[in-house]
Amino acid sequence: GAGVSQSPSNKVTEKGKDVELRCDPISGHTALYWYRQSLGQGLEFLIYFQGNSAPDKSGLPSDRFSAERTGGSVSTLTIQRTQQEDSAVYLCASTEGVGGYSPLHFGNGTRLTVT
Amino acid sequence: SQQGEEDPQALSIQEGENATMNCSYKTSINNLQWYRQNSGRGLVHLILIRSNEREKHSGRLRVTLDTSKKSSSLLITASRAADTASYFCSHTFLNRDDKIIFGKGTRLHILP
Repeated sequence: GAGVSQSPSNKVTEKGKDVELRCDPISGHTALYWYRQSLGQGLEFLIYFQGNSAPDKSGLPSDRFSAERTGGSVSTLTIQRTQQEDSAVYLCASTEGVGGYSPLHFGNGTRLTVT
Repeated sequence: SQQGEEDPQALSIQEGENATMNCSYKTSINNLQWYRQNSGRGLVHLILIRSNEREKHSGRLRVTLDTSKKSSSLLITASRAADTASYFCSHTFLNRDDKIIFGKGTRLHILP
């Protein structure tokens, strides 16, 4: 079946512009996670959704970052007034059960470059 | 930071040798998972070990967990060129099954 799909795969934007990153999880997966990965680094937790609710937004770096999920499916991560330090790969993952006990299924990420 | 730590950060070994990577964490956990990431791709789940388990096997992979030392190790036996990748451990926190934290990873390079 289809895996987790992220779009766009690459995004180049000018500093100060807003960007929207999209994640289509595996159908039926209730939990959805967003991570940020800087070049050669580990994964930084941003936010996760259980259904349409985001119980933990503690990882969002600043109020320029927001995320939503609708219909228990597609999620968008929005970065307003992008800064150069926002450049990274943004990874989305979904899982069918509680994240800690079910494997996360990752998309291939969106590579964001802020010039 | 609550993030785990893998070591070494990078490892190069000859094909056929065994590769061992370690992961340490700071708080009590429910379980720990290992993932692999090939360059430019998302992560792929390898194995999950629960906090009440000490060792688990899957093919050429062997994972151990020592909760008293808050550490885990991933052993890849008889390494192959295709094992070249970054390896990450992740964990949830005791009483928090949902927030999943990843370490910084070990970059493994298998030399032909």
